[in-house]
Amino acid sequence: AQSVAQPEDQVNVAEGNPLTVKCTYSVSGNPYLFWYVQYPNRGLQFLLKYITGDNLVKGSYGFEAEFNKSQTSFHLKKPSALVSDSALYFCAVRGNTLKGSGYALNFGKGTSLLVTP
Amino acid sequence: ETGVTQTPRHLVMGMTNKKSLKCEQHLGHNAMYWYKQSAKKPLELMFVYNFKEQTENNSVPSRFSPECPNSSHLFLHLHTLQPEDSALYLCASSDTGKDTQYFGPGTRLTVL
Repeated sequence: AQSVAQPEDQVNVAEGNPLTVKCTYSVSGNPYLFWYVQYPNRGLQFLLKYITGDNLVKGSYGFEAEFNKSQTSFHLKKPSALVSDSALYFCAVRGNTLKGSGYALNFGKGTSLLVTP
Repeated sequence: ETGVTQTPRHLVMGMTNKKSLKCEQHLGHNAMYWYKQSAKKPLELMFVYNFKEQTENNSVPSRFSPECPNSSHLFLHLHTLQPEDSALYLCASSDTGKDTQYFGPGTRLTVL
């Protein structure tokens, strides 16, 4: 089964410093990987996705993610963190094809990012 | 942010109550999803509807009953819930055949 793992429950970083939120994947075949962000009392917002092509994917709000096939990782990065980036971040992988069409998304358990002033 | 709306945002109910959660999407999508989000656990996919037809039911207890009257609206009817059903219930939608899903803000459900 297609799955992702987020090894850190929480990541703390000072404002202005680079941030990394880790994700590793386990898939059969080519991976289709996603990052979502959830701000307090809000739903999940799509940040970016990797299908094929460049290993560095650029997304919303200045975030990017680096696909590394040899390490089966898809870490989320930002060069300079903002306090407003504090949120819950979810990595996901495209899973089974759903009946009728479409795909399931298999999510990690989330990583809480805290950016301090 | 307003593409997928959910009401109510918060709901407290007793175990004998019957209530419904509502989701509406304004994105022209044809696939809609219900997820359960519990603390420190991955999102759990509950139901999927595609063109108003239920296509997935991930072994969800019958005390949760979904309804999809049209491609823009999705309901989750609740009855005789248990305290362990307390969670954030998220609705999402996507274009048919596409994998990117767009989420609503969720309903925070507390079962007493």
